[in-house]
Amino acid sequence: AQKITQTQPGMFVQEKEAVTLDCTYDTSDQSYGLFWYKQPSSGEMIFLIYQGSYDEQNATEGRYSLNFQKARKSANLVISASQLGDSAMYFCAMREPGGYQKVTFGIGTKLQVIP
Amino acid sequence: DGGITQSPKYLFRKEGQNVTLSCEQNLNHDAMYWYRQDPGQGLRLIYYSQIVNDFQKGDIAEGYSVSREKKESFPLTVTSAQKNPTAFYLCASRRTGPQNTEAFFGQGTRLTVV
Repeated sequence: AQKITQTQPGMFVQEKEAVTLDCTYDTSDQSYGLFWYKQPSSGEMIFLIYQGSYDEQNATEGRYSLNFQKARKSANLVISASQLGDSAMYFCAMREPGGYQKVTFGIGTKLQVIP
Repeated sequence: DGGITQSPKYLFRKEGQNVTLSCEQNLNHDAMYWYRQDPGQGLRLIYYSQIVNDFQKGDIAEGYSVSREKKESFPLTVTSAQKNPTAFYLCASRRTGPQNTEAFFGQGTRLTVV
């Protein structure tokens, strides 16, 4: 069963607008971590933001914020004031519960910022 | 500078041959990971290791093997049993402990079967 679900294969956003990328996850455990990564066309993976399952506040890093709704098992990424350089693939990932430090990724969302 | 080094960047393999992808990190991270990336399928976990001399199968381990003899190194062998090995391979590492930390990635190896 898929642990991380990203249902938006592609998204468009106008420059300077905000955009939300969806991510839902599946776990019955209480302790886990959620991550978002950006992958430009160059292929490198860039860490954006992290949310722990016990964190009471939504994580924020500059223009990135994570809308964490634990009861709905969703961890959506919000990018404010989009820039052309934000055009990339975006991946949601989860550090699964358990002692083996397993980290699994979703299939990603391709974001294109339009001038 | 600290980081993760994958080599080579591009690799060509003939059908029926085994090939080993290198991954070295000097971040003193305990956990290391191998992912395979295909278009439209995101990153799929092949193998991961929490500590030296221990590793776990990920979601698509068939046709692959790994070793973890040193903390710094986690090589991946793509064997001839892997039916469709052409893909982009990413290695990652992360610090473990009470605080969750992000994974740091190498630049990737693009493997092509010719």
